[in-house]
Amino acid sequence: DIVMTQSPDSLAVSLGERATINCKSSQSLLYSSNNKNYLAWYQQRPGQSPKLLIYWASTRESGVPDRFSGSGSGTNFTLTISSLQAEDVAVYYCQQYYSTLYTFGQGTKLEIK
Amino acid sequence: QVQLVESGGGLVKPGGSLRLSCAASGFTFSDYYMNWIRQAPGKGLEWVSFISRSDSRIYYADSVKGRFTISRDNAKNALYLQMNSLRAEDTAIYYCARPVNDYGGFDIWGQGTMVTVSS
Repeated sequence: DIVMTQSPDSLAVSLGERATINCKSSQSLLYSSNNKNYLAWYQQRPGQSPKLLIYWASTRESGVPDRFSGSGSGTNFTLTISSLQAEDVAVYYCQQYYSTLYTFGQGTKLEIK
Repeated sequence: QVQLVESGGGLVKPGGSLRLSCAASGFTFSDYYMNWIRQAPGKGLEWVSFISRSDSRIYYADSVKGRFTISRDNAKNALYLQMNSLRAEDTAIYYCARPVNDYGGFDIWGQGTMVTVSS
């Protein structure tokens, strides 16, 4: 199975500041035939179902604010929130779909400093 | 609107069985692969099972292989998860989820149904 490792496990950022979450996969998620990275990012607020933010590593889901962006390729990926808002307090997960035995990262808890 | 609604969760004793259902609406269910994903209390997300559009391809996480069975009824717009030989570690919220395209990520999630395995 592909192992997904996120860092840090938690972070606290001031309102309006940048938040950066990293995700590393145990093998490349780049499919050479279409040059796409098979990686998604989710936000899960307390008591809610997860919400898709980003897929194909950098494609923002419809309706997701443009302060959320995804980057990276191969085995190293980053979710960036450019200017933290109060409603961004949540746990964030990365997920690979390169293998149909899908796997998630352990989650990163984002709080306000 | 596009919606997934899970049902069938509850309290069951170790070794028992439970069948979860997921009712889909607002989209052409038969056009999509479907998945079950679970989340133990206070823990992260764990993918459980995948089924293709015509159930020709089915996959399971190692943790549930041989005990859980995924199925679907495209005529009823329904997804199922038959869970047998349940263990305490199967205690979790179970979500059904639809991928945004043939591969993922999952853009539509249900609200989840809680399964508690305890004596």
